[in-house]
Amino acid sequence: QKEVEQNSGPLSVPEGAIASLNCTYSDRGSQSFFWYRQYSGKSPELIMSIYSNGDKEDGRFTAQLNKASQYVSLLIRDSQPSDSATYLCAVSRHDNDMRFGAGTRLTVKP
Amino acid sequence: DTAVSQTPKYLVTQMGNDKSIKCEQNLGHDTMYWYKQDSKKFLKIMFSYNNKELIINETVPNRFSPKSPDKAHLNLHINSLELGDSAVYFCASSPQGGPEAFFGQGTRLTVV
Repeated sequence: QKEVEQNSGPLSVPEGAIASLNCTYSDRGSQSFFWYRQYSGKSPELIMSIYSNGDKEDGRFTAQLNKASQYVSLLIRDSQPSDSATYLCAVSRHDNDMRFGAGTRLTVKP
Repeated sequence: DTAVSQTPKYLVTQMGNDKSIKCEQNLGHDTMYWYKQDSKKFLKIMFSYNNKELIINETVPNRFSPKSPDKAHLNLHINSLELGDSAVYFCASSPQGGPEAFFGQGTRLTVV
């Protein structure tokens, strides 16, 4: 079983729609959870972090965490073509250790 | 100012050669990482260092040897390069008490 699993996609949504990205993880001791965005040929950049159960909103982005189900999600409201990228879920058991999923490729069509 | 910088950005070399990739961060972070991203975009942790001490060595062949002369630098030396080593290698750093990682621009290594 992979430590962090994501649907590789591609996920295609029309402009203005909500994009929903999902991630599950295997280690119940995981403490911190992140979403990174990676444009083609670029390095990953952090867009959201979440540490406790529930929702966390930042602009058009909402991260959701359910530790009991070992599930993390990212919602992107009012999706824009500029949101087209690969979204990487990352999970950290402790400082100095961050594990990534394989990423979900999102395409937002104008 | 570049926060996490890697050199070189591109590296093409023949099988069997030895090469190094350098990484420097000016963020004052205590932890530095090396990740390998393969053609399927899977970002796999290789090593992490905290204040020059090796914390994680993720079953990487011993042809790969990281070196951290100080907490701002983490270099990666690769001996006897193989075709399967072709990938993008990312250096990253994170602050003490905060696992969020900040990435360098990556080094695309091609072994021919």
